[in-house]
Amino acid sequence: KAGVTQTPRYLIKTRGQQVTLSCSPISGHRSVSWYQQTPGQGLQFLFEYFSETQRNKGNFPGRFSGRQFSNSRSEMNVSTLELGDSALYLCASHRLPSYNEQFFGPGTRLTVL
Amino acid sequence: GENVEQHPSTLSVQEGDSAVIKCTYSDSASNYFPWYKQELGKRPQLIIDIRSNVGEKKDQRIAVTLNKTAKHFSLHITETQPEDSAVYFCAASIKSGGGADGLTFGKGTHLIIQP
Repeated sequence: KAGVTQTPRYLIKTRGQQVTLSCSPISGHRSVSWYQQTPGQGLQFLFEYFSETQRNKGNFPGRFSGRQFSNSRSEMNVSTLELGDSALYLCASHRLPSYNEQFFGPGTRLTVL
Repeated sequence: GENVEQHPSTLSVQEGDSAVIKCTYSDSASNYFPWYKQELGKRPQLIIDIRSNVGEKKDQRIAVTLNKTAKHFSLHITETQPEDSAVYFCAASIKSGGGADGLTFGKGTHLIIQP
């Protein structure tokens, strides 16, 4: 069974631009959660999607948004990029919202210049 | 919201010795506690987890204990090996309304196994 995949793996953007990251969960998993990982703040929860609906949201500004498609693939978008948005963005796949076990993808390394 | 504290931030042990990493959480409604291992440049990998209705869980050299009253849980690794060197994260999650909230992570422990 294929694992969680994320594209692209690396991105370099400049301040003010926007970016879209993609995540494909494990086959049969219908929930996707997104996390931001930085050296200073560690791993922080962004949001969770199930059945194309956002179920939970972490404490991030509205510039961070996401969506989920009918095939469970998810995208997250960051608008008006700031230097502080440089981070590793990880998505995690889980079977259903009620199944806590989450399996991470390899991440997208975003660098904002 | 939930807050998870993890200690120590760095732990160095001799190969073959045991390692213990401790976490405390703030929200008594938290009911799921996973541990992740992250090697340099790789994704976090789930190594063991425990739910609030269980006090201890073991998987070969790895065990996790949970004390709900004190709101703390610990990871125990016995007979450490060089491949155990990594950053370990604890996390807590609240299941509510049929769904699971996002995981709140500790800051991580860099485990170094000395040969």
